[in-house]
Amino acid sequence: QVQLVESGGGVVQPGRSLRLSCAASGFTFSNYGMHWVRQAPGKGLEWVAVIWYDGSNKYYADSVKGRFTISRDNSKNTLYLQMNSLRAEDTAVYYCARDIKVWGLTNWFDPWGQGTLVTVSS
Amino acid sequence: DIQMTQSPSSLSASVGDRITITCRASQSISSCLNWYQQKPGKAPKLLIYAASSLQSGVPSRFSGSGSGTDFTLTISSLQPEDFATYYCQQSYSTPLFGQGTKLEIK
Repeated sequence: QVQLVESGGGVVQPGRSLRLSCAASGFTFSNYGMHWVRQAPGKGLEWVAVIWYDGSNKYYADSVKGRFTISRDNSKNTLYLQMNSLRAEDTAVYYCARDIKVWGLTNWFDPWGQGTLVTVSS
Repeated sequence: DIQMTQSPSSLSASVGDRITITCRASQSISSCLNWYQQKPGKAPKLLIYAASSLQSGVPSRFSGSGSGTDFTLTISSLQPEDFATYYCQQSYSTPLFGQGTKLEIK
């Protein structure tokens, strides 16, 4: 079955970096755009970034632009989020999610991974 | 930027009730509106896409309607497993979620 498994979360000091991974299985990863969405503790959902199925286009939320980089390795069926210059307000559960559409983007998310918690604190 | 306003922020209801959650966009988003369900400690789950299309595997008691700026999610007869938080999300431009509606047991 379709599965997304995030890893790489943890506690990190402000200003430091962290890289999240999302391992995909059960579908042809290279056919789908992929997203990162985050949720601060007790708060709502915030879209973070998207990468096209072939990596040709990437878009970011204003809140992370210039600090976060989304990438993918289709040979490894893995999505990444490189997070630099981390701030306390980046503390959240980070979910990876697949776009619905093959070889395109709808900005509908299904399925989602289980999430990985990033805590930015000194 | 498009703003999404979801109401109510919380709702108490009983098993068997019919409930409606509303989502309003600050400008027209055509039918680019999706609904998700999230249970505590779990990832969100897509329920409705393109305003009114039921995602595969989602029970038919869930329905969505609307276009332009005003949208609704209706659950026709609440079941115990439906008590959760619901989010709308616009996919017309940069994805944006509503603030969420927490549905609690009365």
